[in-house]
Amino acid sequence: NAGVTQTPKFQVLKTGQSMTLQCAQDMNHNSMYWYRQDPGMGLRLIYYSASEGTTDKGEVPNGYNVSRLNKREFSLRLESAAPSQTSVYFCASSRQTQETQYFGPGTRLLVL
Amino acid sequence: KQEVTQIPAALSVPEGENLVLNCSFTDSAIYNLQWFRQDPGKGLTSLLLIQSSQREQTSGRLNASLDKSSGRSTLYIAASQPGDSATYLCAVVNTGFQKLVFGTGTRLLVSP
Repeated sequence: NAGVTQTPKFQVLKTGQSMTLQCAQDMNHNSMYWYRQDPGMGLRLIYYSASEGTTDKGEVPNGYNVSRLNKREFSLRLESAAPSQTSVYFCASSRQTQETQYFGPGTRLLVL
Repeated sequence: KQEVTQIPAALSVPEGENLVLNCSFTDSAIYNLQWFRQDPGKGLTSLLLIQSSQREQTSGRLNASLDKSSGRSTLYIAASQPGDSATYLCAVVNTGFQKLVFGTGTRLLVSP
């Protein structure tokens, strides 16, 4: 049972480039989330999807877009990367919102 | 706006000691509180979830308590082991909301 998987594990981008972070879960969860983790700032919610077909902004959505492709997959897109988006990105899922969240291993992104 | 604080930011103890990690939150209208563990370079692992109607939850050597009225939770670790070394984060879900708000964590080092 893989749980929550994320690709890629590590990525280096130049300012202005775009990329998509992929996330998939095999637990038949309804809700999925994208967080970023920065030193001294803790985890901050970027976007979430309470159920298939819905997405909502979190605390720090600017510069990002998301797509809930199906029940299993939730992607995060950076259209024009900026150095301020250098961070570790975590995807998570839960059966329903407000229930226990299960996290992926993270994607380390460096924007030069 | 809910704010979650964890003090101390770092803690070092010898193996075998019982220890307490603290979490405080500013808005007592919470739906639940969750404790997570994060190993270096890894994602988060859920440890315990306490519903707002509960006072405590136990799992093995871990015991988490919740005092909503004072806005505090503690995570008690009995007979600590070097394998307990990690960062411990608490997070709350406010009533009526669907999102976790995280503290910045306590980094625990248990030395043999």
